[in-house]
Amino acid sequence: GQQLNQSPQSMFIQEGEDVSMNCTSSSIFNTWLWYKQDPGEGPVLLIALYKAGELTSNGRLTAQFGITRKDSFLNISASIPSDVGIYFCAAKTSYDKVIFGPGTSLSVIP
Amino acid sequence: DAGITQSPRYKITETGRQVTLMCHQTWSHSYMFWYRQDLGHGLRLIYYSAAADITDKGEVPDGYVVSRSKTENFPLTLESATRSQTSVYFCATSWGAGDTQYFGPGTRLTVL
Repeated sequence: GQQLNQSPQSMFIQEGEDVSMNCTSSSIFNTWLWYKQDPGEGPVLLIALYKAGELTSNGRLTAQFGITRKDSFLNISASIPSDVGIYFCAAKTSYDKVIFGPGTSLSVIP
Repeated sequence: DAGITQSPRYKITETGRQVTLMCHQTWSHSYMFWYRQDLGHGLRLIYYSAAADITDKGEVPDGYVVSRSKTENFPLTLESATRSQTSVYFCATSWGAGDTQYFGPGTRLTVL
């Protein structure tokens, strides 16, 4: 079945560093989503992407919808302690269902 | 406006007992979902509902039962809890099938 792969699985970075993570699949999708889960909370939508090649920013976050429609990327610039959490990618399938990746755990060292 | 709430937030139970986790939304979203989150597995869909009295299985439905008699409520029942059902359970809602999902705060369930 369709599945999403996220890398890296976890990251430990120094405060102020930039972060890059990605989400890949062997399937094509028309919508990519990025969620963040703060410790002890439910995931919250950060960015939604609807067109191949689209680049969207939300503050220090920038996400891109891959040209092949099989991947997406999330970058965080100048990380701060509150960026800690799990970042999930998600994609909308042709059957109008949303599937989630396994997540990338981010730790920020002050 | 509470949006989406889950109760209880924490639950400890014993193997073989029946447990019901509650999910309530105030947005009148058509779709509601139940996920479990386990280390290394991310979010796995248990059941979902397109509307009142319409439910369907997700990726990992075995051992769970759902109902949706009212649009705003979507309880998840573990009929005979097992240790493998120890997990964090999230309820989510959306307007349509592929629309943005909004998650509740989660219920941490421990089965001893």
